[in-house]
Amino acid sequence: EAGVVQSPRYKIIEKKQPVAFWCNPISGHNTLYWYRQNLGQGPELLIRYENEEAVDDSQLPKDRFSAERLKGVDSTLKIQPAELGDSAVYLCASSLPKSNSYQETQYFGPGTRLLVL
Amino acid sequence: AQSVTQPDIHITVSEGASLELRCNYSYGATPYLFWYVQSPGQGLQLLLKYFSGDTLVQGIKGFEAEFKRSQSSFNLRKPSVHWSDAAEYFCAVGARNYGQNFVFGPGTRLSVLP
Repeated sequence: EAGVVQSPRYKIIEKKQPVAFWCNPISGHNTLYWYRQNLGQGPELLIRYENEEAVDDSQLPKDRFSAERLKGVDSTLKIQPAELGDSAVYLCASSLPKSNSYQETQYFGPGTRLLVL
Repeated sequence: AQSVTQPDIHITVSEGASLELRCNYSYGATPYLFWYVQSPGQGLQLLLKYFSGDTLVQGIKGFEAEFKRSQSSFNLRKPSVHWSDAAEYFCAVGARNYGQNFVFGPGTRLSVLP
């Protein structure tokens, strides 16, 4: 069974440029998560989707970050414009749906490492 | 909102020695508790999880963790460490109530001496 797929694996951009990350979850996993992991820290949840609905985006900096999951499968996370402080690893995870949401095991992709110069 | 602390930033143990990684959480009720491991260049992998019932939880790779409500702790243990266990370990807390958050601790980096 294929795991969570993310692309690109690495991205280097200059500040003020836009950037997008793509995630394909495990087949059948209706719940999808985006995390940001700064160097030396634990992942921080940015947004959680149940199918195509964003049900928890309280931690997403909405002035510059946006996400979509139009058909309830693949998802894209965008930053526009990027700032120096956005340099981090962006992780995507997926899980089976559960009414209380966080009971199910999350399966993580390898992440996209972003460097903003 | 819940929070997680992992008091040890970095731990070094010798191969074959026992291991205990500490995790303390803050939450108004009994949370869902998880331990994940992140090896260099790899994604996060679940080691074990606790929801209810027996407070001693067995996981993969010979790891176990014990939930202690009175201490708000969920420490991870392994009786004999292997060199391949060198990695970053994260404790995480998931809220039981819909709409609340999922929080990772800052992580503990484990080094293993031959």
